[in-house]
Amino acid sequence: DSGVTQTPKHLITATGQRVTLRCSPRSGDLSVYWYQQSLDQGLQFLIHYYNGEERAKGNILERFSAQQFPDLHSELNLSSLELGDSALYFCASSVGRTGGGTQYFGPGTRLLVL
Amino acid sequence: DAKTTQPNSMESNEEEPVHLPCNHSTISGTDYIHWYRQLPSQGPEYVIHGLTSNVNNRMASLAIAEDRKSSTLILHRATLRDAAVYYCILRGYSGNTPLVFGKGTRLSVIA
Repeated sequence: DSGVTQTPKHLITATGQRVTLRCSPRSGDLSVYWYQQSLDQGLQFLIHYYNGEERAKGNILERFSAQQFPDLHSELNLSSLELGDSALYFCASSVGRTGGGTQYFGPGTRLLVL
Repeated sequence: DAKTTQPNSMESNEEEPVHLPCNHSTISGTDYIHWYRQLPSQGPEYVIHGLTSNVNNRMASLAIAEDRKSSTLILHRATLRDAAVYYCILRGYSGNTPLVFGKGTRLSVIA
């Protein structure tokens, strides 16, 4: 158990819909990262938040957005869903500025868009 | 980001040592070498990291070439639970950066 929790575990929805994925980092970790894993693209970085502020963006679509709240949990919002958005979505947390930057991953949310 | 090259797949017998290679010929002087693994149906997990010297922890050992252009992750006695995809990743000093995953090496362990 990494200490990172993600909800829901599974999500089935239809094209055009909007969903919210939630991530609670390990206690004390200030950084939250979101990654997408699909069969054809592998594990890809989406976005990074540190202590409530966006720090870096990766291959995140404009239809996707995220935020990190004062209690440090984070949400990834996916809208106007397409079939190709079906994937595993992982969040990871780390202390942030120090400690070698080890990232601890949650169990993931499996999204299926029909 | 500097790139890494790993074999697509490797196979090992249970309780035998496993050496997983990684080439990173364009590594910069401040890049750390990190290894993560992803077990089936789980998120990636940290294995080990190092800069120049060889490193050991309870999970594995990391052997880094003198010129730092390659490294080897060593599992001393492979178990069935070690079957996973292993990723070799280069990261800058700060560590507060995203991980850039390649395709990794899929390790199969045979009983």
